[in-house]
Amino acid sequence: SQKIEQNSEALNIQEGKTATLTCNYTNYSPAYLQWYRQDPGRGPVFLLLIRENEKEKRKERLKVTFDTTLKQSLFHITASQPADSATYLCALRYSGSARQLTFGSGTQLTVLP
Amino acid sequence: GAVVSQHPSRVICKSGTSVKIECRSLDFQATTMFWYRQFPKQSLMLMATSNEGSKATYEQGVEKDKFLINHASLTLSTLTVTSAHPEDSSFYICSAQKGGADTQYFGPGTRLTVL
Repeated sequence: SQKIEQNSEALNIQEGKTATLTCNYTNYSPAYLQWYRQDPGRGPVFLLLIRENEKEKRKERLKVTFDTTLKQSLFHITASQPADSATYLCALRYSGSARQLTFGSGTQLTVLP
Repeated sequence: GAVVSQHPSRVICKSGTSVKIECRSLDFQATTMFWYRQFPKQSLMLMATSNEGSKATYEQGVEKDKFLINHASLTLSTLTVTSAHPEDSSFYICSAQKGGADTQYFGPGTRLTVL
């Protein structure tokens, strides 16, 4: 079965620095990979989607990379702010899975002022 | 655009009762809706996928007779937890997807506590 690992359960960084979160997966490559933000007691909010034939995607201070050889995606937040503190989830959709997503357990990011 | 609501946001019930949770796409038509369950500090676990007008597809290990899903229209899906027990206490989240699109838009979640 597919397994998704996000690098650490919790990550603390200083305001202004770049936060880098890791998502590793096993087995075959997904059709695409998504990153979500989840605040406590709330549903996830979509941030970025990157497809298997794409290497990098950017949106404002966010950047996602996708390395199908390493079976890994990196999620970067540049110039981080305390408001970026949340849990970040990666989710994969595998080909033939009827558009269902498989989620990682998330990394809780805390940006310290 | 792409707003999904859930009602109620929080519910407490006695063991043995049934609870209905509604999921609505407010500004788009959702051909597919998904129901997830999330335990504290854990990932979202997909329970079932529902397409408008057809029966839901349940994931392995999810009892379809216990978790009844109805997707009666393109903007509404309901999840009914029948004969709830304390182990059903969890955070239930729905998501909705526009036809042909890849992105799922999530509701704010429903916290169910079964006493």
